[in-house]
Amino acid sequence: ELKVEQNPLFLSMQEGKNYTIYCNYSTTSDRLYWYRQDPGKSLESLFVLLSNGAVKQEGRLMASLDTKARLSTLHITAAVHDLSATYFCAVEHNFGNEKLTFGTGTRLTIIP
Amino acid sequence: EAQVTQNPRYLITVTGKKLTVTCSQNMNHEYMSWYRQDPGLGLRQIYYSMNVEVTDKGDVPEGYKVSRKEKRNFPLILESPSPNQTSLYFCASSLVGAANEQFFGPGTRLTVL
Repeated sequence: ELKVEQNPLFLSMQEGKNYTIYCNYSTTSDRLYWYRQDPGKSLESLFVLLSNGAVKQEGRLMASLDTKARLSTLHITAAVHDLSATYFCAVEHNFGNEKLTFGTGTRLTIIP
Repeated sequence: EAQVTQNPRYLITVTGKKLTVTCSQNMNHEYMSWYRQDPGLGLRQIYYSMNVEVTDKGDVPEGYKVSRKEKRNFPLILESPSPNQTSLYFCASSLVGAANEQFFGPGTRLTVL
């Protein structure tokens, strides 16, 4: 059974600081997704990571994937208030059925 | 506009009263899925469908039914809702075969009294 763990679950940080959210998963997978959810809203796709060593960047967010370590990171650079949201990683099972298992999410609060 | 729509967005009902939450997508996606989101548990998959007339159980299917008679629609049916089905429900869709992210609907907040 694929398990996905995110750390930390809650993160409060000051504007301008850097931080990293970690996503560990328990079985082999080559595909990992990051989503953002604003309070009361739906999930928005941020990054699609398809292979070992993949790195994607968008603005102040950068995601990477290490399939050997079964680890993905979401790095936030010089945080701004607009980045406050809950971030989910989701790992695709290697069974060809498109199934995703989600982490429990990291609630990020950026303090001015 | 490419989108996934769900109806209703909010629903309060009573135990045992059958209900259906509709989901529709206009992106010609083969894959559709239902999730429920509960605090501290992330999103858990209820049912999914790889194409018309092809459905399968996810991680938490008990108490739910689905059907996929048309490619664009994937309704979620609660035959006899119970309070433990109070949750936020999301429908999602994607292409099959390529590594495509899933697109999510706006969510349906269901309260079962």
